[in-house]
Amino acid sequence: GDSVTQMEGPVTLSEEAFLTINCTYTATGYPSLFWYVQYPGEGLQLLLKATKADDKGSNKGFEATYRKETTSFHLEKGSVQVSDSAVYFCALSGSNDYKLSFGAGTTVTVRA
Amino acid sequence: NAGVTQTPKFQVLKTGQSMTLQCAQDMNHEYMSWYRQDPGMGLRLIHYSVGAGITDQGEVPNGYNVSRSTTEDFPLRLLSAAPSQTSVYFCASRAPAAGLYGYTFGSGTRLTVV
Repeated sequence: GDSVTQMEGPVTLSEEAFLTINCTYTATGYPSLFWYVQYPGEGLQLLLKATKADDKGSNKGFEATYRKETTSFHLEKGSVQVSDSAVYFCALSGSNDYKLSFGAGTTVTVRA
Repeated sequence: NAGVTQTPKFQVLKTGQSMTLQCAQDMNHEYMSWYRQDPGMGLRLIHYSVGAGITDQGEVPNGYNVSRSTTEDFPLRLLSAAPSQTSVYFCASRAPAAGLYGYTFGSGTRLTVV
């Protein structure tokens, strides 16, 4: 079945540091890939998405490229801020279109 | 504001009690689903619905019931709460094309069973 593996962390960074969170997936066909973010005490918000190979999703300075050859969708941001402290989830919508398969989540803390 | 509304935000139950978690959306989405979030496990699908009158089981359905009598509402019922059901529960909905629009999540219900 479909599955997602992501770097679990926790990750602690200083402001303006470079952030990368690795995400790899297993799925048949051509799944859609997502990054969701969960700020403290809140629900999940869609951060970015990609629907086909080589697509690059981007939002709020974050980027991720759909790499079918390596089955990866790594999240990157060049210069993090304290406000980026959150839990980040990689997810896919694949063969079962009614379900999102999530990674375990990565807790990111950015210190001033 | 358009979106997914969950109530209550917090709940403490005693083992064996029953309760219903409410979920409502005002975006006319056909697809709705319930997930539970547990540390180190991401979110796991409990039940989902593809439209009024149609529901199906997800990965972890045991101990939970759902029904979908209207497009807007998708309540989750715990018949006899157990400590293993202590978790954060999220309701989500989406338009038909998940790849184009993604899912919209509610703010969650934190449930503790003692």
